[in-house]
Amino acid sequence: DAMVIQNPRYQVTQFGKPVTLSCSQTLNHNVMYWYQQKSSQAPKLLFHYYDKDFNNEADTPDNFQSRRPNTSFCFLDIRSPGLGDAAMYLCATSSHIGTDSNQPQHFGDGTRLSIL
Amino acid sequence: AQKITQTQPGMFVQEKEAVTLDCTYDTSDPSYGLFWYKQPSSGEMIFLIYQGSYDQQNATEGRYSLNFQKARKSANLVISASQLGDSAMYFCAMRGQGSARQLTFGSGTQLTVLP
Repeated sequence: DAMVIQNPRYQVTQFGKPVTLSCSQTLNHNVMYWYQQKSSQAPKLLFHYYDKDFNNEADTPDNFQSRRPNTSFCFLDIRSPGLGDAAMYLCATSSHIGTDSNQPQHFGDGTRLSIL
Repeated sequence: AQKITQTQPGMFVQEKEAVTLDCTYDTSDPSYGLFWYKQPSSGEMIFLIYQGSYDQQNATEGRYSLNFQKARKSANLVISASQLGDSAMYFCAMRGQGSARQLTFGSGTQLTVLP
């Protein structure tokens, strides 16, 4: 089945040690998103790629970066994780063709990040 | 700017009964889409149902239906014949007309189905 795959499912890193989360998709969708979700809160959009165009949300900290080397893969890099960055990180994809807005975003299972 | 409001932090329902989860929204976009997602404790976000702003009929998907009242700006999710596996967090979300159709999420409702 076509899907969105996030690795790893659980990630533990040390305070200040760079960490990379990965996302891959077999849906061939042109848009990929990264969300941060803290406990009992709604997902918060960090940034998205529309094809190769990177779009950062205004309040996303500089500590968070992203790479999309090709259509299928997208990475979230946290350069110097702080205790406040412990959260679930969700990757999602969607296909945008014309003005069709009824296509849902397809989410991966998420990576739960812990900071020691 | 878009805003989604879910006023029920937690809901309880007896197994096999129906339950309605509330969602109201605010937007200045003339065209928009409304989505409901389910998030079990394991964390994955599962798409349930979609309603377009110009759709004439309320959306239905199996046991899920959406009570869409455009004039009231509400898009409530109705789950019929609740099952224990329906226990999860439910998010209402809106997609507007931005270039990448970002979703705006509500704060969620934690549904617990009682045996």
